[in-house]
Formats: sequence, C-alpha cells, structure tokens
Amino acid sequence: GDSVTQMEGPVTLSEEAFLTINCTYTATGYPSLFWYVQYPGEGLQLLLKATKADDKGSNKGFEATYRKETTSFHLEKGSVQVSDSAVYFCALSGYNFNKFYFGSGTKLNVKP
Amino acid sequence: EAGVAQSPRYKIIEKRQSVAFWCNPISGHATLYWYQQILGQGPKLLIQFQNNGVVDDSQLPKDRFSAERLKGVDSTLKIQPAKLEDSAVYLCASSLGDERYGYTFGSGTRLTVV
Repeated sequence: GDSVTQMEGPVTLSEEAFLTINCTYTATGYPSLFWYVQYPGEGLQLLLKATKADDKGSNKGFEATYRKETTSFHLEKGSVQVSDSAVYFCALSGYNFNKFYFGSGTKLNVKP
Repeated sequence: EAGVAQSPRYKIIEKRQSVAFWCNPISGHATLYWYQQILGQGPKLLIQFQNNGVVDDSQLPKDRFSAERLKGVDSTLKIQPAKLEDSAVYLCASSLGDERYGYTFGSGTRLTVV
C-alpha cells in the first residue's frame, strides 16, 4: 500500500546551516506530495506541496522537488533560523485523493 | 477565512472516564477528518466524513470511540471508556474534498489519561 518514509530525528543544526530532510514514498499511480510543519503546541500547517512529477514546491525559503524516478520529496532550506525549530512531516495523498499518509515526523532543532 | 476550530485545547481525565472533543471545520469544506497523534508519531486517521456520511472509519476503535458530524458541519469525537493508551493529540482537519491540495488542520486537543 501507499506509504511515506522520512529520516529519523532529531536533526540539530546551527543557525544559517543548510537543511535537508529526506522523504521517500511508495504509491500507486501519481500521488500528490506534501510537507507539513508542526510548531510546539500547535496543529499541523501545510508548508508546501507538489502535485505532479518534477514540480517544485516552495514556501518560506523551504523547497522540495517531486522526483518520480527516485520516489523522493526531500525538504531543503539554504539557511535555517531558530524559528524553524519544529517537527516536519512528509505526506502523500493517494491516487484517488481521498487517502492521506503521513511519515513519522522529523524534529528539527536550530541553535543560535 | 477562519480556520478549523477545536475545543477543548487540553483535557485530563482518569482512565475509564468518558471525554468528547468538538470540531468546527472551515465553512464550505465538505470533508472532515479526525486524526490521532501519539507523541513522537505521525498522525493516524481515525475517521473521515464526507458531508454527514462516513467515508472511512476502518481505524476507529469502535468499541470505545464514536464520532458524528451533525448536519454535515460540526463534528464530535467521543471516547468511552478511556484507556491510558488513548493519551494523544486529537487533530481535526477539513478540506474541500480534493486532497491534491492538502487540507487544513485545527490546533488539536491534547488528551492525557491518568
């Protein structure tokens, strides 16, 4: 069945460092791919999305490219800030668009 | 637009007690979801409604959990009786029905069962 696998955390970086959080997926057909972010004590917020192969989603300096050949959707940011400290979830919606699958989350800690 | 509203934000109960959570989705969103997020894990779908009908409740522990969506708008999720392992954040989300574009989550209700 459809599933998402993302790298385990926590990931600890210094401010202004480069961030990569790996995400790979297994899916039937052509899913849409998402990154959600969860700040402490809050619900999940949609960070970015890509709905077809080779699409690049971007928001707030974060980017991820839908790579069908490697079934990946890695999250990147060139220069992280302390305010980016949160848990990041990779997710996909299945080919029939009424199922959503989340990864287990990756906690990011950014130190000043 | 107003977001997905949930209440209460926090709840502490003893095991074997009952508890109810409330969700008000974004106006016009036909699809509503309840997720359970245990600490350190990703959200797990409990139940999905399309208007006031259930689309998927395959992972809802029906011996103790129940949910309804009144008139296709607000929804309540109930646990009776609660167990220690029910301690989690319960998230409500809603969408227009096309999940290609993701959906919007509420802030969640953090339940602690002691």
